[in-house]
Amino acid sequence: GAVVSQHPSRVICKSGTSVKIECRSLDFQATTMFWYRQFPKQSLMLMATSNEGSKATYEQGVEKDKFLINHASLTLSTLTVTSAHPEDSSFYICSARRGSYEQYFGPGTRLTVT
Amino acid sequence: AQSVTQLGSHVSVSEGALVLLRCNYSSSVPPYLFWYVQYPNQGLQLLLKYTSAATLVKGINGFEAEFKKSETSFHLTKPSAHMSDAAEYFCAVRGFMEYGNKLVFGAGTILRVKS
Repeated sequence: GAVVSQHPSRVICKSGTSVKIECRSLDFQATTMFWYRQFPKQSLMLMATSNEGSKATYEQGVEKDKFLINHASLTLSTLTVTSAHPEDSSFYICSARRGSYEQYFGPGTRLTVT
Repeated sequence: AQSVTQLGSHVSVSEGALVLLRCNYSSSVPPYLFWYVQYPNQGLQLLLKYTSAATLVKGINGFEAEFKKSETSFHLTKPSAHMSDAAEYFCAVRGFMEYGNKLVFGAGTILRVKS
């Protein structure tokens, strides 16, 4: 199956700093990548859809200036949480679409803001 | 409005018993349907998918699911539970009208397997 990696797997940062999370499709090219957020004991909530070479499409209620998404190549998308606050602490999962409908998920990044 | 309903946030079965995890969706046309499994602190792994071919879909780890249009259901089953099946399972739907061509997840069902 297709492999999607995320880095780092977990990160702890201080309030007010910015954190960048990388998502890579290792063995296929992904024109579309997705970023999800998962709160404890809850389902995945789509934050944004990222298309290579264009601006990301954010879901309603997601602050685009706070969650910066860059899809620089067909194998890499990054999510930067700017000026992080404790309420941004969460599990962030990326996903890459291969073909018309198959989505493969990364292992997730646990962000803790102190 | 889009909707994916997983009945039962927690399901507990004995090792060797039948596993049945329920999923219902709302859509005016048959969408694509997926089941994913998530182990603690990990991402999601695709178990199986329905994309308008055979209504009975076989996946990995002995799981299968049947698409029933009349019931708008896509329940996940496994004849005999194994301890390693303990995880959280998510049903997801991808449609082309109500869902905006995006994956929408159910709330998840935590499966516990008792020895």
